[in-house]
Amino acid sequence: QVQLQQWGAGLLKSSETLSLTCAVYGGSFNDYFWSWIRQPPGKGLEWIGEINHSGSTNYIPSLKSRVTISVDTSKKQFSLKLSSVTAADTAVYYCARGRNMLMRFDPWGQGTLVTVSS
Amino acid sequence: QSVLTQPPSVSAAPGQKVAISCSGSSSNIGNNYVSWYQQFPGTAPKLLIYENNKRHSGIPDRFSGSKSGTSATLDITGLQTGDEADYYCGTWDSSLSAGVFGGGTKLTVL
Repeated sequence: QVQLQQWGAGLLKSSETLSLTCAVYGGSFNDYFWSWIRQPPGKGLEWIGEINHSGSTNYIPSLKSRVTISVDTSKKQFSLKLSSVTAADTAVYYCARGRNMLMRFDPWGQGTLVTVSS
Repeated sequence: QSVLTQPPSVSAAPGQKVAISCSGSSSNIGNNYVSWYQQFPGTAPKLLIYENNKRHSGIPDRFSGSKSGTSATLDITGLQTGDEADYYCGTWDSSLSAGVFGGGTKLTVL
C-alpha cells in the first residue's frame, strides 16, 4: 500500500520561502506524476503543480513565477518551494500521487498547515 | 472564483438521492476526464470517481459519476448521515495547462 508522508515548516513570515517535502513509501515512483494541492482555511482545493520522475513539470499559471517543484528519485521524494509568501498563501498543503493531466489523486499526504504571518 | 462551478450546498433526507453538478467549458470538462472527491473536516480528500464514471477501489456503488458536454454530475443514492461531507470535482484545463477544481459542495443529510 502506497503512503505519502510530508513535512516542512508550518509558520512563515511574509516574503519568506515555503518549503515542503513529500516522501513516497511503497509502490512505483516512476509510473506517476506527483502533485501539490492546497486548501486555504474554510475554502476549496487549489491545484499547484505536478512533477514526474524525470523532472517534467506543470504549474498553475497564477503561481508559476513563484513555484518550484523538484524531485529526488533516489529518495523517492518530491518537494515544493513557494517564494515571497504572503498571508494569501496560508493554507493546508497536500501532496498526492496522480497521473499526468488526469486530476486523479490517490493517495494523499496527511496535509501540512502553513501559516504566513505579517 | 473557481474555473468549475458547483452549487455551494445540497441537502436531502436519509435514503434519498442527491445530484451534485459541476459545470465547466470546452477547455476543461468538455475535453478532459472528471474526477470527484469527498472530504470530511480536518482530513485529506478521498478519491471517489475518476475518468468521469469509474468508481475508485472500495467506493460503494451508491456513488456514481456522469458527464455530458461541459458538465459533470455526481449522484449519491441511499443517502446516509455518514455521507455528510464536502464534495469537489476536478479536471484538467487544456487552455491553462493546469488542473482545476470546483469550489466544492457541502452535502447535508437532514
